[in-house]
Amino acid sequence: NAGVMQNPRHLVRRRGQEARLRCSPMKGHSHVYWYRQLPEEGLKFMVYLQKENIIDESGMPKERFSAEFPKEGPSILRIQQVVRGDSAAYFCASSLDRARTDTQYFGPGTRLTVL
Amino acid sequence: RKEVEQDPGPFNVPEGATVAFNCTYSNSASQSFFWYRQDCRKEPKLLMSVYSSGNEDGRFTAQLNRASQYISLLIRDSKLSDSATYLCAVINQAGTALIFGKGTTLSVSS
Repeated sequence: NAGVMQNPRHLVRRRGQEARLRCSPMKGHSHVYWYRQLPEEGLKFMVYLQKENIIDESGMPKERFSAEFPKEGPSILRIQQVVRGDSAAYFCASSLDRARTDTQYFGPGTRLTVL
Repeated sequence: RKEVEQDPGPFNVPEGATVAFNCTYSNSASQSFFWYRQDCRKEPKLLMSVYSSGNEDGRFTAQLNRASQYISLLIRDSKLSDSATYLCAVINQAGTALIFGKGTTLSVSS
C-alpha cells in the first residue's frame, strides 16, 4: 500500500522562475495538506484541500503561492517568481477523513533550493 | 505565547536511559494531540496519538495534562535508533491543520 508520494524530491530554481510541487495522497485519501519547513524552523501549515476544494488556506502567503487538488491527478503547490526565502522543505500530508478526526500521514517532501 | 512550545534540547542520554519530553499548548479548547518523529529533516512519522487517558506503545508512553495544558512523551530503555527529533502537534481550532512545535532533539549514545 503506497504511502503519500511527492515529486520531485529535490528541485532547484533560479530567482524569478516557477516551482511546481506535486503530491499524490495515500490510496483512498481525499484530504491533502501542505506544510513548509524552513531551515532551523518547525513545520508550518500552508493549505488544506479536499478534492477540487480549498478548505483552509490561512497559512499560504498572499502572493505567488497557489494550490489545487483536481478531481483527477495529484495536488499541486505552485510558487511563482520564486525568491531565495522560498528555499525550504515542502511536505504534503493526507488523511482519510478531515483533520479534526483523522491522522495525517506525510510524504517524503520536496526540497526546494532557490539560487 | 506560542501555540505549541517544546524544549529544543538536545537531550543527550546513554543507551538504556529513560527520558521525558514535555510540550505545552496555548489553546485550552484543543482536542487532538500527537507525537511525531522526524529523522534528519525527513518526513515526520506518527509516533502516537495522545488520548485523555494516556496511552502506551511498547517503550513509549504519552500523557495529557489538560489542567496545565501540556502533553508528555516518556521513552524507556532508550536505543541508539531513538535518536531523532520529536515533534509535538496539536489540531488547530478550526480543525483543519496540525500546529507543530519546533521539536526536541534526542541523541542516544552507546
